[in-house]
Amino acid sequence: GAVVSQHPSWVICKSGTSVKIECRSLDFQATTMFWYRQFPKQSLMLMATSNEGSKATYEQGVEKDKFLINHASLTLSTLTVTSAHPEDSSFYICSAPTGSFGGELFFGEGSRLTVL
Amino acid sequence: AQSVTQLDSQVPVFEEAPVELRCNYSSSVSVYLFWYVQYPNQGLQLLLKYLSGSTLVKGINGFEAEFNKSQTSFHLRKPSVHISDTAEYFCAVKENTGFQKLVFGTGTRLLVSP
Repeated sequence: GAVVSQHPSWVICKSGTSVKIECRSLDFQATTMFWYRQFPKQSLMLMATSNEGSKATYEQGVEKDKFLINHASLTLSTLTVTSAHPEDSSFYICSAPTGSFGGELFFGEGSRLTVL
Repeated sequence: AQSVTQLDSQVPVFEEAPVELRCNYSSSVSVYLFWYVQYPNQGLQLLLKYLSGSTLVKGINGFEAEFNKSQTSFHLRKPSVHISDTAEYFCAVKENTGFQKLVFGTGTRLLVSP
């Protein structure tokens, strides 16, 4: 199946710094990518939809200025957590749809962010 | 809008016993349905999906699920579980048009003990 890769898998940063997480589709082109956030022992909550060449669409309640999303190419989307605080600590997972129906989503391995 | 309900937050079961993880969904349009498995600190792996056709869907690792439109359910089953099946299982739904977002249930933790 299609492969989606995230980097880094783990990141620890100090409060107030910014962290960038990359999401790459390795063997297919993705005009759309989705960014999810998962708190411990909870489900995945969609944060935003990343669109190649245009602005991301954010879900209600997600701060656009804190979670900057850039979809610069058909294989790369980035999520930047700006001025991170401990409450931003979470597991962030990206995904990209593929297939003729756009039905199946392939997920990255996830990125664990810990803000001290 | 779609929604997914997984009533069981945790399901304990003994090794080699059968298991069923329940999933009910709500939608005003036709949908695609998915089951994903997540191991600790990892992303999601697709177990199986229903797009159309036969309502009984077989997936990886011996799992299967049955789409029941009248009951709006998509329960996941396995006739004999292994210790290695211990994980979090998510049911998900999306509209069957274009690249619509996937909506997840709250997850069911399957705990298999010897």
